[in-house]
Amino acid sequence: DTGVSQNPRHKITKRGQNVTFRCDPISEHNRLYWYRQTLGQGPEFLTYFQNEAQLEKSRLLSDRFSAERPKGSFSTLEIQRTEQGDSAMYLCASSAGGFNYGYTFGSGTRLTVV
Amino acid sequence: GNSVTQMEGPVTLSEEAFLTINCTYTATGYPSLFWYVQYPGEGLQLLLKATKADDKGSNKGFEATYRKETTSFHLEKGSVQVSDSAVYFCALSDQGAQKLVFGQGTRLTINP
Repeated sequence: DTGVSQNPRHKITKRGQNVTFRCDPISEHNRLYWYRQTLGQGPEFLTYFQNEAQLEKSRLLSDRFSAERPKGSFSTLEIQRTEQGDSAMYLCASSAGGFNYGYTFGSGTRLTVV
Repeated sequence: GNSVTQMEGPVTLSEEAFLTINCTYTATGYPSLFWYVQYPGEGLQLLLKATKADDKGSNKGFEATYRKETTSFHLEKGSVQVSDSAVYFCALSDQGAQKLVFGQGTRLTINP
């Protein structure tokens, strides 16, 4: 068990570019979550997968954002046409049975849009 | 909607001091309550949880009691250590939805 792995750790991109982040959850966890955290704030929910099915999306997830979990294992989060307001820490978490079991969070990907 | 309000930081204490970080919530139904901790450069870790009223969660010397009458879940520790320096987040489960709602976090610094 190597925990939840996120790549890259840091990403600097120019406004208007597309970026993609990857999350590798704990292998036996069937639930995967994406959150966004801005400076001085707590994480905000973006989306949730159970196996390969995306079951819930936040209103924060505009049409420039898309997330996939093609085989129920790793997940990707893509942001198209990045804006400065997208600068944040993007957190991935996984769980074996829902939040009452507790999530395991990754260390996050810090995105800076310049 | 559901929300969590935490005591504003930063909080600075001396080693062996008593710690309280206040957390109150607004929620419909009966959420579960959590404290997460984020050490520098690391991901959030579950510190403790309580799933129903009057439950007490505890871990690593930290405690919090689910108080439905005051809608609170305050975090306490009797004697803090330098290694407890971190950011602490209170959170609740959004009943009926698969997500956690977090407070804004409280940065704690313990001086030797």
